[in-house]
Amino acid sequence: SQTIHQWPATLVQPVGSPLSLECTVEGTSNPNLYWYRQAAGRGLQLLFYSVGIGQISSEVPQNLSASRPQDRQFILSSKKLLLSDSGFYLCAWSLSGPGLGAYEQYFGPGTRLTVT
Amino acid sequence: DQQVKQNSPSLSVQEGRISILNCDYTNSMFDYFLWYKKYPAEGPTFLISISSIKDKNEDGRFTVFLNKSAKHLSLHIVPSQPGDSAVYFCAASQTNRDDKIIFGKGTRLHILP
Repeated sequence: SQTIHQWPATLVQPVGSPLSLECTVEGTSNPNLYWYRQAAGRGLQLLFYSVGIGQISSEVPQNLSASRPQDRQFILSSKKLLLSDSGFYLCAWSLSGPGLGAYEQYFGPGTRLTVT
Repeated sequence: DQQVKQNSPSLSVQEGRISILNCDYTNSMFDYFLWYKKYPAEGPTFLISISSIKDKNEDGRFTVFLNKSAKHLSLHIVPSQPGDSAVYFCAASQTNRDDKIIFGKGTRLHILP
């Protein structure tokens, strides 16, 4: 069966510090991978998605970047965090198919990031 | 432009009764619809989906109804249980295009004892 791991579970970082959140998927090959953010009291905002190694698409201009160095590894980074980067970050995977919306997505447990 | 709308931010239902969560969409090209459930501080969990070729899909206590002409879908939970208290996200996509799944903003369901 497939599993998705995210770490750390919680993180408190000062403004201006760097960020690295990691997500790994087990039990599947060549998945589509996604990073979402859920700000307090709001819905799910898609930040990045990837359909293959080294292939990253950004949905919104922001202070963050993503990388996919391996097939089942997805990393969310920032060089300098802003207060507005605080939120609940979710990694997700789906089967690859005819389109990004062809299959349901499965989410990791999330990382609560607080920028102080 | 919000393509998937959940107009009720919250809903309270008595335990044992039916919970009905609603969702409207604006893009008539959507052909795949999903519901997710989310507990605080956890990732959303996929619940149930429906293709546009159907108007109903049932899985245990959960049933999703799709009304394409009204661009409306609903999730019915019968009977409602305390563990159903969570935020429910509606989502939609076009499966034949390279488009993402679009999520609504969610409805918080409270099951009352």
